[in-house]
Amino acid sequence: GAVVSQHPSWVICKSGTSVKIECRSLDFQATTMFWYRQFPKQSLMLMATSNEGSKATYEQGVEKDKFLINHASLTLSTLTVTSAHPEDSSFYICSAERGVGTGEQYFGPGTRLTVT
Amino acid sequence: GENVEQHPSTLSVQEGDSAVIKCTYSDSASNYFPWYKQELGKGPQLIIDIRSNVGEKKDQRIAVTLNKTAKHFSLHITETQPEDSAVYFCAASIGAQKLVFGQGTRLTINP
Repeated sequence: GAVVSQHPSWVICKSGTSVKIECRSLDFQATTMFWYRQFPKQSLMLMATSNEGSKATYEQGVEKDKFLINHASLTLSTLTVTSAHPEDSSFYICSAERGVGTGEQYFGPGTRLTVT
Repeated sequence: GENVEQHPSTLSVQEGDSAVIKCTYSDSASNYFPWYKQELGKGPQLIIDIRSNVGEKKDQRIAVTLNKTAKHFSLHITETQPEDSAVYFCAASIGAQKLVFGQGTRLTINP
């Protein structure tokens, strides 16, 4: 159990366009989901925490107008990178918390974004 | 805020030997300590976790120990196999608060 999927697994887009990444918890409901960014050979950097039905909480330095997060249901959260630029190219990973307040996070397989 | 330090950054062991990765945390209020394994190009996989009311937890070849007094916890992998090669991350959190990750350890199992 505790399976999280992400779609797409990789995407290439042109500079200035927007890209949406979906994160789904397949076999459990997740009140809270998280979005991370990971650079090569580095640890995970938390971008934002999303709670179902409410606005996401962004980490310091993360532009909320650039990285739009929506958590409309207990199994789906989306991250939209707006007006993407080459510096937004990265590996984006979501996670979902199983249970409420457990801290147990299960990660998706990640999405490789390349902006040309 | 919480800070997690992880050592070593790289570890190479012979197949069949044991591997140990250590993490220290700064906030004594932290009470949840998961370990993740990440293979190249994939998302992290939760392999074992421990809560502050337990000193040790074991799952087959993997075990985690927690020393609350010293504020450190360790991952132990016994009888290592080539498929154990990956990057391992420790993390710590206080209840439902965000996880704070260590810097990662690249483990290589030599056949």
